[in-house]
Amino acid sequence: AAGVIQSPRHLIKEKRETATLKCYPIPRHDTVYWYQQGPGQDPQFLISFYEKMQSDKGSIPDRFSAQQFSDYHSELNMSSLELGDSALYFCASSQAGGPNEQFFGPGTRLTVL
Amino acid sequence: AQSVAQPEDQVNVAEGNPLTVKCTYSVSGNPYLFWYVQYPNRGLQFLLKYITGDNLVKGSYGFEAEFNKSQTSFHLKKPSALVSDSALYFCAVRDESNTGKLIFGQGTTLQVKP
Repeated sequence: AAGVIQSPRHLIKEKRETATLKCYPIPRHDTVYWYQQGPGQDPQFLISFYEKMQSDKGSIPDRFSAQQFSDYHSELNMSSLELGDSALYFCASSQAGGPNEQFFGPGTRLTVL
Repeated sequence: AQSVAQPEDQVNVAEGNPLTVKCTYSVSGNPYLFWYVQYPNRGLQFLLKYITGDNLVKGSYGFEAEFNKSQTSFHLKKPSALVSDSALYFCAVRDESNTGKLIFGQGTTLQVKP
């Protein structure tokens, strides 16, 4: 079965650089979520999209932005990177219309030097 | 605000023994509860969920969870642990704002020894 695809899997950036993370949800899933997992931490919700519109926003810095495109893939754009942005970034997708489980991608490990 | 607590950082069991990973929740309405497992450097894999109905929920890989409303708990269980079950387990509750985001517990590392 198709899973959530994230790219790149690993990313190394310098402070103050920008990064773009991509997420391709499971086909026919119309909702995408982004989570950030710091070392030894639980995943923290960043932002979500339903049918290409932002549906919720969590503790996402103003330096970060995201969008969902017409083909339902989503991109998380991160600017002015800081050392504290180093984390695993997960994308998850689900079908709307009920408390459906979210299916997570393998994550992008971002390291900011 | 909703929250989930996993009181144990680590659970150690011997292979073949039953295991329990504890989770308690706090919500104002009906809870939608989930268990996920995370292997090192991997994404989270869905194990099972409680929405409504039977208090005993069966999931993947032989896991099950017992929903207890009076104790506001949703403990993960397995009758016979395998070494390959060793991983990080997260309990989560669906946010009541209905946008679907998950609120995770702190995670519990399960160590199954041969």
